[in-house]
Amino acid sequence: GAVVSQHPSWVICKSGTSVKIECRSLDFQATTMFWYRQFPKQSLMLMATSNEGSKATYEQGVEKDKFLINHASLTLSTLTVTSAHPEDSSFYICSAPEQGSGNTIYFGEGSWLTVV
Amino acid sequence: GDSVTQMEGPVTLSEEAFLTINCTYTATGYPSLFWYVQYPGEGLQLLLKATKADDKGSNKGFEATYRKETTSFHLEKGSVQVSDSAVYFCALTLTGTASKLTFGTGTRLQVTL
Repeated sequence: GAVVSQHPSWVICKSGTSVKIECRSLDFQATTMFWYRQFPKQSLMLMATSNEGSKATYEQGVEKDKFLINHASLTLSTLTVTSAHPEDSSFYICSAPEQGSGNTIYFGEGSWLTVV
Repeated sequence: GDSVTQMEGPVTLSEEAFLTINCTYTATGYPSLFWYVQYPGEGLQLLLKATKADDKGSNKGFEATYRKETTSFHLEKGSVQVSDSAVYFCALTLTGTASKLTFGTGTRLQVTL
């Protein structure tokens, strides 16, 4: 069964609104989680590293004020797309390494965001 | 920068056909290489990996060999099944990058009866 769960799987929102995507580790604690984004016919691109109890680390070119990441507990990281625009429509997926298992990396199911 | 290039899909094969999905990479340093698979409605799952040159990763009949001389990590399977239909991602990570993965674009495989 899934060890990292992402919700929602699909979301449609209006331009200008905000949408939150959750990433939960179900069977283990994750001090670090990663958020990726994939545009059509492009690679999965790392957006940011979510760190429990501290600020996220964003990759170059990713707006931290637009993509708010909160990692308030050892099992939950959230990505909030603020003031969404159609160009934010994409596939977002999170991952979490499980320490002590050879750092096996588990991925969520991904979330399809459509901004209309 | 580091990058992964894999063949565009979709790839459509009949059951029991031979599969090859090409993957090449560019990286500074010595990467570890991975193939991930995403079945419909599920998260990415690690299919196989190789951590150094000439290593062969294998799982579920799939295999890939880390070729440093050609900077490649092609995925192969001798006889595909309908249940192998999925999206396959080639990826790399560098030592010390704490599980940050660099992915290819993904290749959709459709296997028909």
